[in-house]
Amino acid sequence: GESVGLHLPTLSVQEGDNSIINCAYSNSASDYFIWYKQESGKGPQFIIDIRSNMDKRQGQRVTVLLNKTVKHLSLQIAATQPGDSAVYFCAERFTGGFKTIFGAGTRLFVKA
Amino acid sequence: EAGVAQSPRYKIIEKRQSVAFWCNPISGHATLYWYQQILGQGPKLLIQFQNNGVVDDSQLPKDRFSAERLKGVDSTLKIQPAKLEDSAVYLCASSFMNTEAFFGQGTRLTVV
Repeated sequence: GESVGLHLPTLSVQEGDNSIINCAYSNSASDYFIWYKQESGKGPQFIIDIRSNMDKRQGQRVTVLLNKTVKHLSLQIAATQPGDSAVYFCAERFTGGFKTIFGAGTRLFVKA
Repeated sequence: EAGVAQSPRYKIIEKRQSVAFWCNPISGHATLYWYQQILGQGPKLLIQFQNNGVVDDSQLPKDRFSAERLKGVDSTLKIQPAKLEDSAVYLCASSFMNTEAFFGQGTRLTVV
């Protein structure tokens, strides 16, 4: 299938290590943030979200951190697996319009 | 639960021809989005519907692109006439209230 993100920033990690993917968002009025995973030939898949009244949220093997002061979002993946290889996008939304804006994305390579 | 359905999966047309894409959102999702994803980039919002009304179409090239959502369920996106730079994956997504958007697999359009 078509490879998504040929020219995106890339992160290469060893299987079993932790991964940290960073994202800077643009709108200080955004109050809802989402991380998506996109595998080749597929649409983006929801991973985890966080609202602006929180600074940390944990899921299964994933943690999202939000720093509103510097408009920064990060996704931490614990014990990265080969199946985690994909392009990861952060997205922001402000409640007023439910409009979801995507960042540029980061390509994650997991080395076995 | 059935996901967002899109068709066709692939389409190849010559420039200046017309093309239409179809989307069936998740049942009960009032918000429907069409995104354009050019290779190596994040999805860009083209148009957003709330039920059958347009909420945002600020980035839709209205001289050639049109979209409708009759009866507030299915939606079609049309391009007429197509240009080479329209080659991209067209993603449909839907969401329930102010929650994450769920994406279909997309339609890959190649304009030659």
